[in-house]
Amino acid sequence: SQQGEEDPQALSIQEGENATMNCSYKTSINNLQWYRQNSGRGLVHLILIRSNEREKHSGRLRVTLDTSKKSSSLLITASRAADTASYFCATDAENYGGSQGNLIFGKGTKLSVKP
Amino acid sequence: AAGVIQSPRHLIKEKRETATLKCYPIPRHDTVYWYQQGPGQDPQFLISFYEKMQSDKGSIPDRFSAQQFSDYHSELNMSSLELGDSALYFCASSGLSKGPIIYSSTDTQYFGPGTRLTVL
Repeated sequence: SQQGEEDPQALSIQEGENATMNCSYKTSINNLQWYRQNSGRGLVHLILIRSNEREKHSGRLRVTLDTSKKSSSLLITASRAADTASYFCATDAENYGGSQGNLIFGKGTKLSVKP
Repeated sequence: AAGVIQSPRHLIKEKRETATLKCYPIPRHDTVYWYQQGPGQDPQFLISFYEKMQSDKGSIPDRFSAQQFSDYHSELNMSSLELGDSALYFCASSGLSKGPIIYSSTDTQYFGPGTRLTVL
C-alpha cells in the first residue's frame, strides 16, 4: 500500500504567490525526497532531507520535515509559470515491506501557476 | 553532467509481444532501480540491482525480468505484454554509501527520462 499521501491533490495560484504542498507518510524513514515532473516527462530531483534534519533550503524551495508527525512540506516561494508541474514526495523507508533503498511515492500535487 | 540514459524513449507493441527496455546509469553509480508509472498514477517500484545482483523486488509481474550487466547498465525484459502494461517506465540510479551495511541507501536517486510503452 501507499506510503506517502500528499495534499492538496491540485493547487492553482498566480505567479509571484507562494505554493505549499504537504506530504504524510506512515512508517519510519531514512530520508524524504521531493521530485518534480512535467506532464508525461521524467522525474527531476529537487531536494533530499534526512530524518535527522528539520528544514532545508535550495533556492526558492524550502522543505520541512516533522518525523513526530510523519509529515513534510514543500514551499515554493515567488512562484513562476515554469513551476507548473506535478510534485511528488518519496520516502526511502528501510523497513517498509522489508524493502531497502527503493522509493515509495505519494500521489503527487498538481501545481498550476498562472501568469 | 551525464545523466541516466534510457532507450528507447517510445515503444509501441502489440498484445502478447515482448519488449526490452535499457537503462544506462550515471557513471560510477552502482545501483539501478526500475519504476512503472501508469497514466495519472504515482511511480511504483518494480525492482532494483546493486553491484549486478538483485537487491529488492517490488510489484513486478512474473512476466517481467531484469538484470544488471558488468558495465552496470540494466535491461528490463517484458513478455506476454498486456494492455495494462502501457505506462512510463523509469530507471533511476544512485551510488550507495559504502558503510558496514552495504544495502543501506540514503543517497539521491536520479531518474532517466523514461520509456513510454504503449501496448495495442
